[in-house]
Amino acid sequence: DVKVTQSSRYLVKRTGEKVFLECVQDMDHENMFWYRQDPGLGLRLIYFSYDVKMKEKGDIPEGYSVSREKKERFSLILESASTNQTSMYLCASSFLNTEAFFGQGTRLTVV
Amino acid sequence: GENVEQHPSTLSVQEGDSAVIKCTYSDSASNYFPWYKQELGKGPQLIIDIRSNVGEKKDQRIAVTLNKTAKHFSLHITETQPEDSAVYFCAASDTGNQFYFGTGTSLTVIP
Repeated sequence: DVKVTQSSRYLVKRTGEKVFLECVQDMDHENMFWYRQDPGLGLRLIYFSYDVKMKEKGDIPEGYSVSREKKERFSLILESASTNQTSMYLCASSFLNTEAFFGQGTRLTVV
Repeated sequence: GENVEQHPSTLSVQEGDSAVIKCTYSDSASNYFPWYKQELGKGPQLIIDIRSNVGEKKDQRIAVTLNKTAKHFSLHITETQPEDSAVYFCAASDTGNQFYFGTGTSLTVIP
């Protein structure tokens, strides 16, 4: 069974904190993605990575950065958390041109 | 870039009736169209997908149709059951490195 595991289900952080969201996949997928999910807006791509140390900006990269030092791990970093980054964050991975497998999501609240 | 529109945003049906969700896309280069189901508190999970060289695909009570000329694709669920209640997302992908998602349809099946 393919597994995409996100390190936390729920997180509460303070404004201005640096926040790390971790994602690990066990299927040797080349591609990994970070999405943000908000009601009425669907899934919006923040960043994706198609190889180790490679990254591409998605639709809403402002205020975020990513790191992929190993193939199985893709980290999302909020450099200085703000209240408008309160959201559900979803990590996914895939082979090229095949289905994406999602983690269970991290609900982040910034207070 | 690709733009995927999804309708309706909410849908209520009686148990046993059919449900249809429609999506349109803008980029003729898109060639892979997955549909995801997201249950409460979980990440999205693939339920069916279709590639651009196929017009229709069926898996038990679920079917997807694709009209490349009109750039639209639809999800059909027949004989709906309460466990079909969830949020459904369509997506489009060209090279496979990025997925573009619709805004989601919240389906409620009324027993």
